[in-house]
Amino acid sequence: AQSVTQLDSQVPVFEEAPVELRCNYSSSVSVYLFWYVQYPNQGLQLLLKYLSGSTLVKGINGFEAEFNKSQTSFHLRKPSVHISDTAEYFCAFIKGGSSNTGKLIFGQGTTLQVKP
Amino acid sequence: DAMVIQNPRYQVTQFGKPVTLSCSQTLNHNVMYWYQQKSSQAPKLLFHYYDKDFNNEADTPDNFQSRRPNTSFCFLDIRSPGLGDAAMYLCATRGGGETGELFFGEGSRLTVL
Repeated sequence: AQSVTQLDSQVPVFEEAPVELRCNYSSSVSVYLFWYVQYPNQGLQLLLKYLSGSTLVKGINGFEAEFNKSQTSFHLRKPSVHISDTAEYFCAFIKGGSSNTGKLIFGQGTTLQVKP
Repeated sequence: DAMVIQNPRYQVTQFGKPVTLSCSQTLNHNVMYWYQQKSSQAPKLLFHYYDKDFNNEADTPDNFQSRRPNTSFCFLDIRSPGLGDAAMYLCATRGGGETGELFFGEGSRLTVL
């Protein structure tokens, strides 16, 4: 079965500290991977995506993620977080190639709580 | 500038009273999606349109219907809302191509009294 597992439901961290939000996926075919951020009472905004090529992808707001095919992971990182990064973060994928249905499969989300 | 616009942002309805949520897009994308997101959960796909072709998810209740009169607009109709239908409803679009990302609207939060 195709699925996305976000290993931490909540991640508390102090301002200016580094953070890593973990994501593992399960798929029998190649995938395109995404991280979305959702602020309270708002829609989802794309942070970054991995389609192909370099396994380290950089996104908006200083976030980056590394695709690791052997570990089927796509962890999100930021070297120094800000209070304004407090939000819900969703890892997701779309199946690639001939299996592409255009359906985004989401993880359950990780709440990042940045404390002063 | 907002590219996917949802109205209303907040909707309060009574148990059993029909409600319609709307979504419009300026991206000219051929795929439009409706997701339901309950509190502290991931978005759940209800259905999507590829142009005018409607694709319903197998577990979407019959209570939920959708219309897409043209490329720009898509509507979500909830015929008889129950308390369990209280949620955020998210509209998203996707352009052509295998790797197209989804663009989300701000969402419509539905409260059922």
